[in-house]
Amino acid sequence: DTGVSQNPRHKITKRGQNVTFRCDPISEHNRLYWYRQTLGQGPEFLTYFQNEAQLEKSRLLSDRFSAERPKGSFSTLEIQRTEQGDSAMYLCASSLASGYTEAFFGQGTRLTVV
Amino acid sequence: RKEVEQDPGPFNVPEGATVAFNCTYSNSASQSFFWYRQDCRKEPKLLMSVYSSGNEDGRFTAQLNRASQYISLLIRDSKLSDSATYLCLVNRWNAGNMLTFGGGTRLMVKP
Repeated sequence: DTGVSQNPRHKITKRGQNVTFRCDPISEHNRLYWYRQTLGQGPEFLTYFQNEAQLEKSRLLSDRFSAERPKGSFSTLEIQRTEQGDSAMYLCASSLASGYTEAFFGQGTRLTVV
Repeated sequence: RKEVEQDPGPFNVPEGATVAFNCTYSNSASQSFFWYRQDCRKEPKLLMSVYSSGNEDGRFTAQLNRASQYISLLIRDSKLSDSATYLCLVNRWNAGNMLTFGGGTRLMVKP
């Protein structure tokens, strides 16, 4: 499968624990995006990378959230000291650098904080 | 005001009906536009890109109106399988090059 891959697909964690999600983009894509989506809402932008550089971060990305993309390949999104409000679907997408190209999404990681 | 806005619906239509959705964007630096379909608890999947000249793919037609800053999606001869949430995605090329989604429009096609 050469699409965008996200792991894990589901994560249940206790409040206060740290969690890390991984995204493997389509191999030739140099842009990688993270979104958060809650039920009934559209995906909300969190951050994006061009190669290994993190070019923009949303104000939604509090200091408990950090994302990395070492070597410009896979990316990780870490949430520290999780809160119940962090429960959501976390979506990763990748695209080519050209603005005319579409983004392709992974199947998402569904986080439940109990 | 959100940068990209959609009527959340739901739009309840009978099979065979024609239905249209709009998506408005506020940032005039927006340069490229897409429609995605999202089924319940699944990831968004590209439905079609939106070109300045408009484009058609079978029963689906997408159009862009730069002057009024909106894009539209028209679905003809609706099928039960068209029931989903339709998301517009706007790519802003100025500083940031963010891909910003609208909140989605829910379509329910009834027999």
